[in-house]
Amino acid sequence: GQQLNQSPQSMFIQEGEDVSMNCTSSSIFNTWLWYKQDPGEGPVLLIALYKAGELTSNGRLTAQFGITRKDSFLNISASIPSDVGIYFCAGQLLDSNYQLIWGAGTKLIIKP
Amino acid sequence: SAVISQKPSRDICQRGTSLTIQCQVDSQVTMMFWYRQQPGQSLTLIATANQGSEATYESGFVIDKFPISRPNLTFSTLTVSNMSPEDSSIYLCSVIDSNTGELFFGEGSRLTVL
Repeated sequence: GQQLNQSPQSMFIQEGEDVSMNCTSSSIFNTWLWYKQDPGEGPVLLIALYKAGELTSNGRLTAQFGITRKDSFLNISASIPSDVGIYFCAGQLLDSNYQLIWGAGTKLIIKP
Repeated sequence: SAVISQKPSRDICQRGTSLTIQCQVDSQVTMMFWYRQQPGQSLTLIATANQGSEATYESGFVIDKFPISRPNLTFSTLTVSNMSPEDSSIYLCSVIDSNTGELFFGEGSRLTVL
């Protein structure tokens, strides 16, 4: 089946550091979505990307839809303790009505 | 944005029993989905809950194991039947907001099967 390769699997960073994670695939996607999941909660949408090359920000978060439509990255600047959680990318394939393909997640841990 | 309530939020179940999870949405939605998230894993779509007709199951999931009801546009249930420890997961209800097209998730139901 279709797969998204999300990396890194986990990150240990100091508060204040910038964070970068990405997702790649061999398939072409129509939409890229970035979600965050806190413990005991369902995923919450952070950023949605709809056009190749699109660069979108949401506060300290910035995400880009790759030109080839096969990749996306998410950056978090000046991390704070509440950024801790698991970040998932999800892509919607071309010619797909609603089906999302999910990355395996990036677990962000902030060292005290 | 759609607000989704799931019940139960967590439960501990005995092997061989069945549990029904409820999903209530505060607005009418056309598309409703059930996902499974196994420990430390990403989300896997179980099925699309269709109002007034049988659910559409993804590969690897069958109606006998995961019967789904969708009596109206605001409510759905997922039953995990004849549970085994391998069914220990978080089960998530999600909907597509009819106005924005955004996918929203409930808080999930964490099942532990002993």
